Amino acid sequence: AQSVTQLDSHVSVSEGTPVLLRCNYSSSYSPSLFWYVQHPNKGLQLLLKYTSAATLVKGINGFEAEFKKSETSFHLTKPSAHMSDAAEYFCVVSFVTGGTSYGKLTFGQGTILTVHP
Amino acid sequence: DGGITQSPKYLFRKEGQNVTLSCEQNLNHDAMYWYRQDPGQGLRLIYYSQIVNDFQKGDIAEGYSVSREKKESFPLTVTSAQKNPTAFYLCASRISGGRTDTQYFGPGTRLTVL
Repeated sequence: AQSVTQLDSHVSVSEGTPVLLRCNYSSSYSPSLFWYVQHPNKGLQLLLKYTSAATLVKGINGFEAEFKKSETSFHLTKPSAHMSDAAEYFCVVSFVTGGTSYGKLTFGQGTILTVHP
Repeated sequence: DGGITQSPKYLFRKEGQNVTLSCEQNLNHDAMYWYRQDPGQGLRLIYYSQIVNDFQKGDIAEGYSVSREKKESFPLTVTSAQKNPTAFYLCASRISGGRTDTQYFGPGTRLTVL
């Protein structure tokens, strides 16, 4: 069975300092990995995704994530936090078998990012 | 302007009543999904549909029903059999087939049972 673990339920940073949101997954197959962001009472917006191309993935709003197969990790980083980054972030995994994805996603529990002025 | 719309944004229901949540997409996506979100639990899959007139149960389908009569529409009915329906409901869609597994989400409907 596939699973995703976000290692921190809450992360608090000061504006202008780096952000690190941690995610580990378990899988017997080659995964696709995503990070989504959700602002209060809004839908989920795709930040970035990994689909077995480059291991360092760049996303929107200055975020990036590195896929490390040996560590089964896909941590999300940003060099300098902005107040508008305050939101909930979800690490998500999808598994493709036989060359076809039927699109079943497994979500992490979410990490709430707080940014202090 | 392409996207996914959900209505209403907020919905209140009395216990024992059925209620239907709307989800419409104009992205020409084949597959559509319904998720339920509760605080601290991430998203859980209720139902999904890969093509018109076909749908499958997800992980928490009990107390819910869906239909897929048109490619653009995938309404979700929360029935009186759903024991704890108060939650945030999210609809998503994606292009079906191959390795294209990115899902795009609507803005959500918050359902409160009074």
